[in-house]
Amino acid sequence: EVQLVESGGGLVQPGGSLRLSCAASGFTFSSHAFHWVRQAPGKGLEYVSAIDSTGGSTYYANSVKGRFTISRDNSKNTLYLQMGSLRVEDMAVYYCARVGGGGYEYWGQGTLVTVSS
Amino acid sequence: DIQMTQSPSSLSASVGDRVTITCQASQDILNFLNWYQQKPGKAPKLLIYDASNLEPGVPSRFSGSGSGTDFTFTISSLQPEDVATYYCQQYDHLPPYSFGQGTRLEI
Repeated sequence: EVQLVESGGGLVQPGGSLRLSCAASGFTFSSHAFHWVRQAPGKGLEYVSAIDSTGGSTYYANSVKGRFTISRDNSKNTLYLQMGSLRVEDMAVYYCARVGGGGYEYWGQGTLVTVSS
Repeated sequence: DIQMTQSPSSLSASVGDRVTITCQASQDILNFLNWYQQKPGKAPKLLIYDASNLEPGVPSRFSGSGSGTDFTFTISSLQPEDVATYYCQQYDHLPPYSFGQGTRLEI
């Protein structure tokens, strides 16, 4: 069974940092690209960042470019999102999603990031 | 970046109704268009990929059509369990794979 389990969310002050993790199981992790998608409270879905299967190519939404870093450890079947210089507007549920074809076939349950002083 | 315009933003219908949601891309995306369903407190679920292909296990009352810039998502006979928010998403070429604003469907 494919499973994606996010962790690392929590309360952080504006300007602070946080690292999210997404632990994968039930499939060959190194064969798939992954994205991070977020959803602010009561709002729609927003693409955040993407990484290819090897980690050699990464992409970012303009809203997080220069502040967030996506990475992966294929030996640990884990995806990461290092978030820095956090802003109130970064507050959201963050989902990791596995790319299949062009769509997000599988999603994690999400982890909540709260940015507040 | 490609912008996706989805309408309506909300919709109220009755059980058994035919429901249609539209999504327009700011440029030609061929058929690189997905539709997702999100129920409250849950992660989104992929329903339709490549504009018109039903994800395995998804009921046949859901369908999608379109190509280029204009796309349509249809529920042929609305059921109570279809109450959710629906999103279109384009995935032309490289990220970002932008989403539409969402359509909240109520009964």
